[in-house]
This record gives sequence, C-alpha cells and structure tokens, in this order.
Amino acid sequence: SQKIEQNSEALNIQEGKTATLTCNYTNYSPAYLQWYRQDPGRGPVFLLLIRENEKEKRKERLKVTFDTTLKQSLFHITASQPADSATYLCALVRSGGYNKLIFGAGTRLAVHP
Amino acid sequence: DADVTQTPRNRITKTGKRIMLECSQTKGHDRMYWYRQDPGLGLRLIYYSFDVKDINKGEISDGYSVSRQAQAKFSLSLESAIPNQTALYFCATSDSQGGEKLFFGSGTQLSVL
Repeated sequence: SQKIEQNSEALNIQEGKTATLTCNYTNYSPAYLQWYRQDPGRGPVFLLLIRENEKEKRKERLKVTFDTTLKQSLFHITASQPADSATYLCALVRSGGYNKLIFGAGTRLAVHP
Repeated sequence: DADVTQTPRNRITKTGKRIMLECSQTKGHDRMYWYRQDPGLGLRLIYYSFDVKDINKGEISDGYSVSRQAQAKFSLSLESAIPNQTALYFCATSDSQGGEKLFFGSGTQLSVL
C-alpha cells in the first residue's frame, strides 16, 4: 500500500539549534512534495514546495531536500526559535493522474528556550 | 477576515442526525476540498471539486455528501452521523495554476455522541 511516514514522536530541541524532520514515502512516484505547518486548533499553513527534479529548496531559515532514490524528504529549520514549535506535515502529489495531495500524519516540534 | 471560513467551529450532535458543515472562500480559487483529520492519522480527503459543475469522491467519501453552491461555497453533509465520524474537518482551496498549494480554513471540530 502507499504510505507517507513521518516520525510520530515529538522532536525536542534547544533554541538556536537546527531542527531536522523526516518524511519517507513508499510506492509513490511523486511529482512534487510540500511541507505545511499546523498550530493547535488551526488549519495547516503551506510552507514550501519542492519538485521531483529539484534537490533542495530554501526559504529564509527553512530548507527542504528531496531524494527520489531514498524516497525521502528532509525539512530543516536553522536557528530554531520557540515560535517554531508546531506540527509539521509533509504531503505528496503523485505523478500522473489527477492532482491530489496525500498527507503524512505530521511530526510535532518543540523548541525549548 | 479569513480567506477560507468554516462554520461552525465546533459542533456536538447525536448519532443519526443530519449535519452540514459550511465553507466559504474569498480567494477566488476554483478548487475546493474537504478533509478530515484524526489523531495519529494524516489528513484524508473526503470530496473535492475543481469547479462548480465538478464533484469528485476522495478516499473516504462513504457517509458524506457535498454541494458546491457557487465558486466560493462548498458544503459537507453527514446524512446520518455516526460516532466514528467524530473528527476535525477542514475545508481547503487551491488555484489550478498554483501547483496544488492548499489554503485551509480553521477547521470544524465535530463530535458525534
């Protein structure tokens, strides 16, 4: 079956460190992959999109990598701040067919002062 | 004002009742979606609509129906609510030219007793 896996355990890091979140997928040929941030009681908010022919994408303190051989995306937040504490979701759009996002369950990040 | 507005924010209902969740958007997007979110699971697509005359089932459409009353309005109905439909429901929109970047509402927490 098709799966997107994100670490279900919360990631706890100290302020100022780099947070790295992982998204693994199986049985997909993704056209592109997205990352969203979700705060408690709120809807997800789009952060970054990376296409299958891109290795890396950056936006301010955020960096996303995409390795189609390993079937993995890494999401990095550098110089993390307590305000970065949230749940981060990855989502894929499959190549071919209609455009439908498949979401992972998300990883909760807690940045401690 | 929010670009994607969901009403109500919270709803408690009883088994067997019919209930409607409403979504309106001011983004001018042509595509609208209904997702549900359960703890530990990713967002799962219930229905989606690419324009007013286009309605499509998602991966978990059983027990649900939708109506696209206008480009800006997309409602979700539970014909006869059951307890396992207790979940957080999100409406989302996207632009057909925007690479499937989704914009979410704040969600409706539905509890079926």
